[in-house]
Amino acid sequence: QQPVQSPQAVILREGEDAVINCSSSKALYSVHWYRQKHGEAPVFLMILLKGGEQKGHDKISASFNEKKQQSSLYLTASQLSYSGTYFCGTEIGGGSEKLVFGKGTKLTVNP
Amino acid sequence: DTGVSQDPRHKITKRGQNVTFRCDPISEHNRLYWYRQTLGQGPEFLTYFQNEAQLEKSRLLSDRFSAERPKGSFSTLEIQRTEQGDSAMYLCASSLGQSLAKNIQYFGAGTRLSVL
Repeated sequence: QQPVQSPQAVILREGEDAVINCSSSKALYSVHWYRQKHGEAPVFLMILLKGGEQKGHDKISASFNEKKQQSSLYLTASQLSYSGTYFCGTEIGGGSEKLVFGKGTKLTVNP
Repeated sequence: DTGVSQDPRHKITKRGQNVTFRCDPISEHNRLYWYRQTLGQGPEFLTYFQNEAQLEKSRLLSDRFSAERPKGSFSTLEIQRTEQGDSAMYLCASSLGQSLAKNIQYFGAGTRLSVL
C-alpha cells in the first residue's frame, strides 16, 4: 500500500520551517526519506528504523512512530537549496526489500 | 553523483520497438533495484536482484519487460514491443544489502523513455 504524504506542496520563505508527514496503513520496518530535484536522481536524506528514533542531518531531522505507522520530516530554517520534491519510501520488512514511495511533497523555498 | 550510472539518459523510440537500458551500480553493492517514475508520482518498484539472482518482481512488470544482472555486476532492463504507456523515467538503485539496517538505496539519474 502506498504511503500517504502531506501536504502535497508547500511554499516557504528562506528561514522558515516546514514539516512533511508520511503515513502508512501497514506496519513498517523502516522509513527512508529522499529529496529529488527536477531531472535529477532522488538523493538519500536519512533512514529511520522501527523503534521511534529521531535522526538529524544538519537542519533536517525526522521521527518515526512505528505504533502509528507515521514518519515526519522536519526542515528547520529552510535554505534555497532545500527546494525539491520530498519522498518517503516505506519498507515493510519480512524479507521484502523493496521501497514503496509516496507521491511526494513539493517544497519551494523563495528568497 | 551517487555513483550509480545509467545509460542512456534519454531514449526516444517508436511504438512497437524494443529498448534496452543499462545500470552500473556502486561497485561493492550486492543489491540492485529497478523503479519506474511517472510525472507527479514517486518511484514504483519493478524488480530487484541480490547479486545475479532476481528475487522479486512487481505485478507492474509485464511479460514485455525483462531484467538481467549477469555476473552480479551491471544490470539491463529490456522492454519489448514498447507501448506509449511505457513512457516514464526508469530509475536504478543499489544498496549494500548486508543487513536490513543497511538497505539504503542510492539512485542513478535515470533513463527517460519517450514512446511515440
